[in-house]
Amino acid sequence: QVQLVQSGAEVKKPGASVKVSCKASGYTFSSHDINWVRQATGQGLEWMGWMNPNSGNTGYAQKFQGRVTMTRDTSISTAYLDLSSLRSEDTAVYYCARTCRGNGCAEFDFWGLGTLITVSS
Amino acid sequence: QSVLTQPPSASGTPGQRVTISCSGSSSNIGSHNIYWYQQLPGTAPKLLIYANNQRPSGVPDRFSGSKSGTSASLAISGLRSEDEAEYHCAAWDDSLSGWVFGGGTKLTVL
Repeated sequence: QVQLVQSGAEVKKPGASVKVSCKASGYTFSSHDINWVRQATGQGLEWMGWMNPNSGNTGYAQKFQGRVTMTRDTSISTAYLDLSSLRSEDTAVYYCARTCRGNGCAEFDFWGLGTLITVSS
Repeated sequence: QSVLTQPPSASGTPGQRVTISCSGSSSNIGSHNIYWYQQLPGTAPKLLIYANNQRPSGVPDRFSGSKSGTSASLAISGLRSEDEAEYHCAAWDDSLSGWVFGGGTKLTVL
């Protein structure tokens, strides 16, 4: 069965960087894009960007341009989210989720359980 | 401020039919499919409706979706206590070249 397993919670100081991993299993890693979506407490879902695991191509939400990097290691079917220059407003649960590239398919059909990132001095 | 607009809350009694709206623009809902997700407290979102009105296997037919122009709706009939959750809509946005979500609607079953 399809699973996206994320790394554990982290506490970071303002100005630091964080790297979150998302290990895919149960399907061909290259067949779906991996997206990152975050959710602050009591807030809605906020899309951060996508990555094509096959080509490594990425697309980031304008809000995160310059601070976010999405990469992958195809040998272990794992995607990574790097977020730098952290501030308190980045405190949120970060989810990875896969999308299927259009044509009426089931986008965001599987999600990881989420990784809580807390930014505090 | 979310690009897609949802009412912050909705409510209904068991057995009732409730609808949740999602309003957008020509660059998102007006041009692309709408998707709906159910998020139970403390859990990750779960795909409920894809491509406007398609249900993934395992989703009860009490849940249905529709789209007209730049707006969409999620309908839940035969409301049950386990439907109490947050519901989110999403669509691709051509102007932003990315996915946009609604702010979420918290459904309370009275």
